[in-house]
Amino acid sequence: GNSVTQMEGPVTLSEEAFLTINCTYTATGYPSLFWYVQYPGEGLQLLLKATKADDKGSNKGFEATYRKETTSFHLEKGSVQVSDSAVYFCALSGRNAGNNRKLIWGLGTSLAVNP
Amino acid sequence: ETGVTQSPTHLIKTRGQQVTLRCSSQSGHNTVSWYQQALGQGPQFIFQYYREEENGRGNFPPRFSGLQFPNYSSELNVNALELDDSALYLCASSGDYEQYFGPGTRLTVT
Repeated sequence: GNSVTQMEGPVTLSEEAFLTINCTYTATGYPSLFWYVQYPGEGLQLLLKATKADDKGSNKGFEATYRKETTSFHLEKGSVQVSDSAVYFCALSGRNAGNNRKLIWGLGTSLAVNP
Repeated sequence: ETGVTQSPTHLIKTRGQQVTLRCSSQSGHNTVSWYQQALGQGPQFIFQYYREEENGRGNFPPRFSGLQFPNYSSELNVNALELDDSALYLCASSGDYEQYFGPGTRLTVT
């Protein structure tokens, strides 16, 4: 079945450091891939998405590229800020006909950015 | 702001009681999914409704049930509450594959 494997946290970085959070997936067909972010005490927000191979999603300085050959969708940011401290979830959604479109989630990676 | 609203924001119930959580989907979205998120965990899929019909269910017992209305808003009902049902309950609406989440309902069972 479909699954998402996400690097374990917590990740602690200093402000302006480079961030990478690894995400790999197993899926049949051609899933859409997502990164969601959850700030403390809040619900989930869609951060970025990619719907086909080689697509790059980007938002708020974050980027992730849909790599079919390595089944990966790693999240990157060149210079993190304290305000980026949150939990980041990688997820996929099936695209096959009849699929119920539920999201399959990674376990989440907690990021703490220190000033 | 995603346009997805949930009510109530917080709720405290005692074991054995029943609870109803509500979700209003984003305009134009015909699919609503419900997730349970325990503290420090990722979301777990409960079920999904598409045009008023259940369209997939996760590994949750029958005491978790739901409805979707003609305006595509939705309810999640949980009977015979257990302590382990304490969690953040998230509703997400979608028109295609992209899901937009509401702020969640924090349920505490004592």
